[in-house]
Formats: sequence, C-alpha cells, structure tokens
Amino acid sequence: DVKVTQSSRYLVKRTGEKVFLECVQDMDHENMFWYRQDPGLGLRLIYFSYDVKMKEKGDIPEGYSVSREKKERFSLILESASTNQTSMYLCASSPGLAGGSYEQYFGPGTRLTVT
Amino acid sequence: QQQVKQSPQSLIVQKGGISIINCAYENTAFDYFPWYQQFPGKGPALLIAIRPDVSEKKEGRFTISFNKSAKQFSLHIMDSQPGDSATYFCAASGLQAGGTSYGKLTFGQGTILTVHP
Repeated sequence: DVKVTQSSRYLVKRTGEKVFLECVQDMDHENMFWYRQDPGLGLRLIYFSYDVKMKEKGDIPEGYSVSREKKERFSLILESASTNQTSMYLCASSPGLAGGSYEQYFGPGTRLTVT
Repeated sequence: QQQVKQSPQSLIVQKGGISIINCAYENTAFDYFPWYQQFPGKGPALLIAIRPDVSEKKEGRFTISFNKSAKQFSLHIMDSQPGDSATYFCAASGLQAGGTSYGKLTFGQGTILTVHP
C-alpha cells in the first residue's frame, strides 16, 4: 500500500512565524504535490515537484515555498505565516510518467491555524 | 480556462437512492477526469476515472458519464448507502502533454454527500 505521511495532524502558529510542513512518501514516486483545502473552494495546488530539487508553482504559490532534497520528502514552508493561511494542507504523490500512472495518493492532511 | 465547476455543493439522498454530482470544464486540453472521495479526517482517494474516448465508465455502483461536446461529466452513485457519505471532488488533467503536465489536477469545489438511512 502506498503511504503518504504528514508530520502533524494539527498545528497552531502565530502570525509572522516560519512554518514547516513535512511530507514523506514510501513508494519511490516521481511527483509530489502540496494543496490547500478550503470549504467551497476545493483543493488548490500550491506547488509541485517532479524530481529531486525540481519544483514548479501551482495556482496559489504566493506566501509559500517548497523544498525537495530527497525523493521521498517534500516540504512546504510558510515564510511568514498569516491568518489567511489558516487551512487544511494536503500532500500527495504520484508515480508520474516513469511509473505509468498519474493517480495521486494523498496524506491525511495538516490542519494549520494561524493566530 | 483552467477551472472545473462542480455542483451541487451539498446533496442529501435517502438510502437506496441515486446520487448525481455534475462537473463542467473549459479547457479542451483536459483528457483525464478522475473523481476522488474524501472521508472526514482522511485525505482524498481515487474513486473512478475516465478518459474522453469513452462516454461512460462503470465500477460497481459508481458510474461516470462523459459528454465531450458539452464539456461536462458527472458521477452517479446507484443504490446510495450511508457509508457513501463523504465529500466528492471531480478533477481534470491534460495528460496528453505527458511529462510536461506531470499529471497536475485541477479540482472542482467539492460536494458533501449525506446518505440518510
């Protein structure tokens, strides 16, 4: 079974703090994704990575950065957390073209509250 | 042009009834249309997917109907059960672009389905 784990289920941070969200997948997937999920807006892509050290902006990258130093790990960084970044953050991975499938496998999510 | 619009936002169905969720897209380059199911406290999981070369795909009680000319697709859940109560997301991707698209998904807004016993 594919397993995608996220470092925290719940996180509370203060405005202006630097926040790190970690995601690890155990299936040697090429592609990894970070989304935020908000009621009525669905899932919106923040950043994705198609290889180690490679990344591309998604639809809402402002205020976020990412890091992928190892294939299995993809980190989302909030440089200076703001209250409008309070949300559910979901990480996903997929085998990609090399793996013959674009099915995305999601982690359980991190609910981040910025106060 | 990247939007996927999903309706309704919420749906209440009696046990044994048919649940229907609709999605519409604009980007004609989309060629892969999955539906994801999300239970509370869990991440979304792939339920069923379709490519535009077929108009319908059925897996058990779940059916996707696809209308390429109208740029619409829908999920039908037959004999809905309380265990189907979840949030459903449609999505779309342009896989024909291969590696350059990386299977990026554009998601709809989600539908909260409640099936009453």
